[in-house]
Amino acid sequence: QQQVKQSPQSLIVQKGGISIINCAYENTAFDYFPWYQQFPGKGPALLIAIRPDVSEKKEGRFTISFNKSAKQFSLHIMDSQPGDSATYFCAATLLGGGADGLTFGKGTHLIIQP
Amino acid sequence: SQTIHQWPATLVQPVGSPLSLECTVEGTSNPNLYWYRQAAGRGLQLLFYSVGIGQISSEVPQNLSASRPQDRQFILSSKKLLLSDSGFYLCAWSVGSGLEQYFGPGTRLTVT
Repeated sequence: QQQVKQSPQSLIVQKGGISIINCAYENTAFDYFPWYQQFPGKGPALLIAIRPDVSEKKEGRFTISFNKSAKQFSLHIMDSQPGDSATYFCAATLLGGGADGLTFGKGTHLIIQP
Repeated sequence: SQTIHQWPATLVQPVGSPLSLECTVEGTSNPNLYWYRQAAGRGLQLLFYSVGIGQISSEVPQNLSASRPQDRQFILSSKKLLLSDSGFYLCAWSVGSGLEQYFGPGTRLTVT
């Protein structure tokens, strides 16, 4: 069964700290891994994504680390700010897999304390 | 640029009443369209997706149905709502292989 397991379910980090959210997948054919950010009452928005030909991708304070052999990937938020407080979803799919694509994790509720 | 609209934004309906939620996309042609449900504090549950007019795939058997009468219009319906249908309903679109999905603002449905 295609699953993406996300942890932790909730996370509290002090302002300026590093937030780390982890995901693990089962299907070794997955080859595209996006992260979505959702603020309360809003739809999720694509934040950053990685393909398995690289081990890390960085965009500003957000970094995805990817470990293909372990079938794991993680989101790191450096210098976490209160405005980063949101729910984060990891996802996985096949680059050529079709429109029903994304398999989502269950989400992590992140709170950044000022 | 592409825009996705959902309405209504919030809805309170009694058990047993019908439901119709609408989603429209602007600025793109032949999009893939999706309906998700998000229960309070839970993840995203894919309900239906569509790759073209009249083509609907159901991911979860339930009290809901979907239709796509036009290329950029996606409708979620129910004949009789259940309490368990309460949640945050999200419409999304993608193009091509669907790598990147773009979500609408959502509809908060409360069934009383």
